[in-house]
Amino acid sequence: GEDVEQSLFLSVREGDSSVINCTYTDSSSTYLYWYKQEPGAGLQLLTYIFSNMDMKQDQRLTVLLNKKDKHLSLRIADTQTGDSAIYFCAESKRFQKLVFGTGTRLLVSP
Amino acid sequence: DAGVIQSPRHEVTEMGQEVTLRCKPISGHNSLFWYRQTMMRGLELLIYFNNNVPIDDSGMPEDRFSAKMPNASFSTLKIQPSEPRDSAVYFCASNSLRGLNYGYTFGSGTRLTVV
Repeated sequence: GEDVEQSLFLSVREGDSSVINCTYTDSSSTYLYWYKQEPGAGLQLLTYIFSNMDMKQDQRLTVLLNKKDKHLSLRIADTQTGDSAIYFCAESKRFQKLVFGTGTRLLVSP
Repeated sequence: DAGVIQSPRHEVTEMGQEVTLRCKPISGHNSLFWYRQTMMRGLELLIYFNNNVPIDDSGMPEDRFSAKMPNASFSTLKIQPSEPRDSAVYFCASNSLRGLNYGYTFGSGTRLTVV
């Protein structure tokens, strides 16, 4: 079955790097996503990676995928207070539903 | 592009009443998803449509919930009768079955409170 797990909480200082981790169980997942949710808001797509890639970089964001271990991580460089939010990992197969993790609450302190 | 549009943003209703949530997907998107978010259960898929056809409704909690997509630009999620345990934020998302855009775009959600 499909299951996506994340740690619940991460606290960092402004300017540090943040690394949010995710594990998933479905080896046939084709796409893996990171979404950001700010309080009272919807889900904002940050980035996604295909299962045949092992790294993707987009400005301050770096996504690493270890397909063998079914492990996905999101690194945010130079973390700012505006990055405080809940970050969701999700997986899908093409044209099918997104399966979300529990979300990691990132708190950035000044 | 106005994004995925959901209405209403907030809904407070009494137990037993009918509730209808509405969603307008992004123009040109032909895949539509309804999710529910609660503290206890996180983000759960309720149902999704491809080309207006329901593909997977296994997440619909029970017969009190129904969803329709009469055309490519509109979908409804109806709860009748509503119960306090239905209180949650309901999100609609859309995606395209064509092209190279693989991201699912979410609406701002409808916060439903059943008292």
